[in-house]
Amino acid sequence: EDKVVQSPLSLVVHEGDTVTLNCSYEVTNFRSLLWYKQEKKAPTFLFMLTSSGIEKKSGRLSSILDKKELFSILNITATQTGDSAIYLCAVENGSNYQLIWGAGTKLIIKP
Amino acid sequence: KAGVTQTPRYLIKTRGQQVTLSCSPISGHRSVSWYQQTPGQGLQFLFEYFSETQRNKGNFPGRFSGRQFSNSRSEMNVSTLELGDSALYLCASSWKEYYNEQFFGPGTRLTVL
Repeated sequence: EDKVVQSPLSLVVHEGDTVTLNCSYEVTNFRSLLWYKQEKKAPTFLFMLTSSGIEKKSGRLSSILDKKELFSILNITATQTGDSAIYLCAVENGSNYQLIWGAGTKLIIKP
Repeated sequence: KAGVTQTPRYLIKTRGQQVTLSCSPISGHRSVSWYQQTPGQGLQFLFEYFSETQRNKGNFPGRFSGRQFSNSRSEMNVSTLELGDSALYLCASSWKEYYNEQFFGPGTRLTVL
């Protein structure tokens, strides 16, 4: 059965810290891995990763995929209170086009 | 470009009633997915429609159904509501045949009393 596991489930850090969020997966016919940020309502798209070892970067956020070890990490440097959110990871099964979602990591940034 | 819209935004129903939620995807998007989100449960996949055909279905009872129209707008229906159906229902659309980036609507908050 396809599954996506995120860790940690929750994390509390201070402003300015660097955090690393993990997403491991076992998905048939992997096609892509996506990261989303959910603050109050709808998740918003962050990154899509399809190739191993290629870092995607957007400001203080970056992500990389390891297709051999079946995981991805999301890094946030110099965290700010506005980074407080639930970060969701989803993996696409290329056989049935279905997205399998992890439970999310709840990140709290303290001032 | 307008985003994904969902109506209504909030809904209060009583047990046993039925409800219909609506989702209008971003113009040009042909894939629409529906999710249920409850505290501590994360996103639970309900179903996905592509060009009016249900392409995937999650593990929900038959009380949950959906459809997609020729203009890609989608509706989901829940019959014989139960207390446990109280949740945020999210709709997401994407423009490709494959998922890739899904764009989410603001959700419909359903409360069942």
